[in-house]
Amino acid sequence: AQTVTQSQPEMSVQEAETVTLSCTYDTSESDYYLFWYKQPPSRQMILVIRQEAYKQQNATENRFSVNFQKAAKSFSLKISDSQLGDAAMYFCAYREGANFGNEKLTFGTGTRLTIIP
Amino acid sequence: GAVVSQHPSRVICKSGTSVKIECRSLDFQATTMFWYRQFPKQSLMLMATSNEGSKATYEQGVEKDKFLINHASLTLSTLTVTSAHPEDSSFYICSARRGGSNQPQHFGDGTRLSIL
Repeated sequence: AQTVTQSQPEMSVQEAETVTLSCTYDTSESDYYLFWYKQPPSRQMILVIRQEAYKQQNATENRFSVNFQKAAKSFSLKISDSQLGDAAMYFCAYREGANFGNEKLTFGTGTRLTIIP
Repeated sequence: GAVVSQHPSRVICKSGTSVKIECRSLDFQATTMFWYRQFPKQSLMLMATSNEGSKATYEQGVEKDKFLINHASLTLSTLTVTSAHPEDSSFYICSARRGGSNQPQHFGDGTRLSIL
């Protein structure tokens, strides 16, 4: 079974600084997707960034980028120029890439990010 | 963008009551919707996957007779917690996927269910 591990329950960063959130996963599949979701206090899960396993290039979305190490099964999220609005719970998630209709997301336990003004 | 609406946002009811939660995709058609449960300070756990026009696929350990899922149209899925008890109190979140399997899931705002 696939598992996703986030070893940092809490992180904090000074505003405008850079922070990296860690995520490792375990799978025997070669085709899959990885995601970072953000859950602010309002509770709605928001997709931050995603990575297809077959792509070697790391995904980037503005201030958010990932370091995808497929051999090491590592998928960290880097937030640059941290802003107060980045404060939230961040979940790493895994999904198989098979072309069926019922692929499920497996979530890590989350990292609570605090931004220090 | 892809908007998913979940209603109600909060429910407080007595033990033994059945509660229905709606999940709607507002600006896209969702062939697949997902229902998650989240305990305080914990991750989301998938309960079931709902495909339009067919029976839902439940995860191991989730009672299908307890958590009834109906996906009657491409924009609406409902979760009914039947004869709810205090242990069913939780945060329930739905998500919907637009298009093929390579598309991401878009989440609703969640429903806080409290059973007295």
